[in-house]
Amino acid sequence: EIVMTQSPVTLSVSPGERATLSCRASQSVSSYLAWYQQKPGQAPRLLIYGASTRATGVPARFSGSGSGTEFTLTISSLQSEDFAVYHCQQYNNWPPTFGGGTKVDIK
Amino acid sequence: EVQLVQSGAEVKKPGESLEISCKASGYRFSDYWIGWVRRMPGKGLEWMGIIYSGESDTRYNPSFQGQVTISADQSISTAYLQWSSLKASDTAIYFCARRDVNWNVFDYWGPGTMVTVSS
Repeated sequence: EIVMTQSPVTLSVSPGERATLSCRASQSVSSYLAWYQQKPGQAPRLLIYGASTRATGVPARFSGSGSGTEFTLTISSLQSEDFAVYHCQQYNNWPPTFGGGTKVDIK
Repeated sequence: EVQLVQSGAEVKKPGESLEISCKASGYRFSDYWIGWVRRMPGKGLEWMGIIYSGESDTRYNPSFQGQVTISADQSISTAYLQWSSLKASDTAIYFCARRDVNWNVFDYWGPGTMVTVSS
């Protein structure tokens, strides 16, 4: 199965700053890459699919890029509600697999 | 509004059986695949499998094949995740989620069911 590796494990950012999260696949997943946001005690929420398409209702400050094996989620100006864990997931191959997550916390 | 309501937390002993449920509303249940995701303590998410009740089709992650059973009752828009003999390593939060109509991503999620297996 494809192994997804996210970095960093924890990212400390001040409100209003830009956050850049990385996700690497062990082999090419084309653009079949999704990002989810998960807040403590809550279910994950789909943010991005197709590497760069925002899901319904997701603010424009969230953007995704990349293809093949290297992907990035950028949050342009962090708001208080954005401090959470972010998971990437590939769906090019079966089974779909997730990365270990990046926790974005307040600096 | 799409909603997925999961059954409550469970505490079980090793070797016991268990079934947890996920009731869907706000959409036509038979039109979508619905699946299960595991999150073990301190670990990442794991895609367990999905079921399409409209055609009684189930797809498992090979890591979970034979370890759990995914089923659904279309008449009550409910999906199930079942264990016949729990192990301590099954301790985790289990999320049900609706698969997107086109892709293997989950667009709506339930709140999760905590399963604790301990002697």
